[in-house]
Amino acid sequence: GAVVSQHPSWVICKSGTSVKIECRSLDFQATTMFWYRQFPKQSLMLMATSNEGSKATYEQGVEKDKFLINHASLTLSTLTVTSAHPEDSSFYICSARGSASGRADEQFFGPGTRLTVL
Amino acid sequence: KQEVTQIPAALSVPEGENLVLNCSFTDSAIYNLQWFRQDPGKGLTSLLLIQSSQREQTSGRLNASLDKSSGRSTLYIAASQPGDSATYLCAVNYGGSQGNLIFGKGTKLSVKP
Repeated sequence: GAVVSQHPSWVICKSGTSVKIECRSLDFQATTMFWYRQFPKQSLMLMATSNEGSKATYEQGVEKDKFLINHASLTLSTLTVTSAHPEDSSFYICSARGSASGRADEQFFGPGTRLTVL
Repeated sequence: KQEVTQIPAALSVPEGENLVLNCSFTDSAIYNLQWFRQDPGKGLTSLLLIQSSQREQTSGRLNASLDKSSGRSTLYIAASQPGDSATYLCAVNYGGSQGNLIFGKGTKLSVKP
């Protein structure tokens, strides 16, 4: 139980285009989802927190108009990188927390999405 | 500022050795602490979660301890195997049931056959 999926697992796009990444909780309801970014040999940095049906809360320094987050249901959150640039190339990981049996305090992580912007 | 530090950054051991990975945090008022494993290019796998009221948690060959007063946690791996090679991340939750995680930079473990 407590499985989180991400799609796509990797994507290559041209500079200026937008990319959407999906995060799904497969076997539990995720009341809260988190989006992280990880640069090579660095740890995970939280970008934003989203609660189902509410606007996302962004961390300091993260542009909300560039990284659009939608958490429209208890099993799906999306991150859209708008007008992507090469510096947005990174590994994006989502996590979910919710009603997984007996594990309400834990975050369960997706497998990540490797974004490369040319 | 709430920070999480992991030492060493990298560790190489021969197969079969017992080893300890260290995690320290600046603010002892934690809600819980998690240890994760990350394989190259992959997401995170949760290994152990320790609540602030607990001293340790065990799962198979893994044992995680927590000493809030000293701001430290350790992950003990017994009888290491090449398949244990990965990066191990420590993360602290200060915010309670609605809190987020603050991650250390990880320890990259290599277990040589």
